[in-house]
Amino acid sequence: ETGVTQTPRHLVMGMTNKKSLKCEQHLGHNAMYWYKQSAKKPLELMFVYNFKEQTENNSVPSRFSPECPNSSHLFLHLHTLQPEDSALYLCASSLGPAGGDSRQYFGPGTRLTVT
Amino acid sequence: QKEVEQDPGPLSVPEGAIVSLNCTYSNSAFQYFMWYRQYSRKGPELLMYTYSSGNKEDGRFTAQVDKSSKYISLFIRDSQPSDSATYLCAMKENYGQNFVFGPGTRLSVLP
Repeated sequence: ETGVTQTPRHLVMGMTNKKSLKCEQHLGHNAMYWYKQSAKKPLELMFVYNFKEQTENNSVPSRFSPECPNSSHLFLHLHTLQPEDSALYLCASSLGPAGGDSRQYFGPGTRLTVT
Repeated sequence: QKEVEQDPGPLSVPEGAIVSLNCTYSNSAFQYFMWYRQYSRKGPELLMYTYSSGNKEDGRFTAQVDKSSKYISLFIRDSQPSDSATYLCAMKENYGQNFVFGPGTRLSVLP
């Protein structure tokens, strides 16, 4: 596997379900990100992890719970979601925090539908 | 005023045309500027990455940054049907990791 991978690619869940999204990066990066992409809206940054420590949480509702066990893996745990949470969830990675090389590389995304 | 503005399109051009895509922004502290291409049902793919003002060329793609006007552009020469996608601009300040994206411009290159 190369680059940034995400599983599952598609997920349909009811409002009372609990599910998790998984992201893995094979680029040797130290920073990982979760974004939400809704139709006709800019990408919304949700969480940032540097060296597996959370450094940004952009006022994301607590029904989204991130986890970063190491610099290569990132999870997004979902519970009691709302229909408006249906979107494409994108994972990205970059070399590291602050200054320097700021290139982000994205995974293919998980298309989430909440019914 | 939105932090980053981008015409959503759709923009339709004939094959071989020169395409100009643009973003304007309001935060004068932005220093890093990126362009991404996103095909339908795929994640964004980094196309161009520039720091501060100036031009950068890579094959058929040229990125321009004019910080005095808070305006960035992406030019695509000899456009191909395979260039049909949504193009996102993104930018961030010198420090921190708050990448701010435009809403994207949908481009169709017609054979």
